[in-house]
Amino acid sequence: GAGVSQSPSNKVTEKGKDVELRCDPISGHTALYWYRQSLGQGLEFLIYFQGNSAPDKSGLPSDRFSAERTGGSVSTLTIQRTQQEDSAVYLCASSLGTGANVLTFGAGSRLTVL
Amino acid sequence: EDQVTQSPEALRLQEGESSSLNCSYTVSGLRGLFWYRQDPGKGPEFLFTLYSAGEEKEKERLKATLTKKESFLHITAPKPEDSATYLCAVQAGGSNYKLTFGKGTLLTVNP
Repeated sequence: GAGVSQSPSNKVTEKGKDVELRCDPISGHTALYWYRQSLGQGLEFLIYFQGNSAPDKSGLPSDRFSAERTGGSVSTLTIQRTQQEDSAVYLCASSLGTGANVLTFGAGSRLTVL
Repeated sequence: EDQVTQSPEALRLQEGESSSLNCSYTVSGLRGLFWYRQDPGKGPEFLFTLYSAGEEKEKERLKATLTKKESFLHITAPKPEDSATYLCAVQAGGSNYKLTFGKGTLLTVNP
């Protein structure tokens, strides 16, 4: 596609439920990133994929968070047993490669945990 | 630990009133400094990459500059459509993928 697509754009869930957030990167972009943007905070790095591999998972806040990427394309971020502090905008980005490459971001998935 | 501090947190200008946004950073070797613009409900949109002290880049009414400790985003004769949150991010020399972002400056330009 022309840009990075994320779904759902908005998700309201109850505490304790699991949620899945999807990211469809720009075709041909080998690198994919997940960031979290909480109210009043800067973007927080979560995880990075090169192809289907995730060399660095250190940004994931807890073991309730996991992510996968298949076919070098679509990625899913899963949050299990959601907590209120998980409420944030989850942003996905992709780039042609790494290094000082320009990231193209999606519009984000806004998660609200009640 | 890499750190990025942006100031001011919010800035309100009249149309045509030039000003500057500041991004102070500490990083273990700078690979690149990035400026992004973010509109409400949208993801950040790339503006500039700066690689070394003394470098400058321009785009329309925006000009970004870089020193060893900070970067400035100068806005000349702004228009209401320049209203947005401006984000600064750094990539450390030891990383080829992770960006550390500041909290941003919310710019409002009144007509």
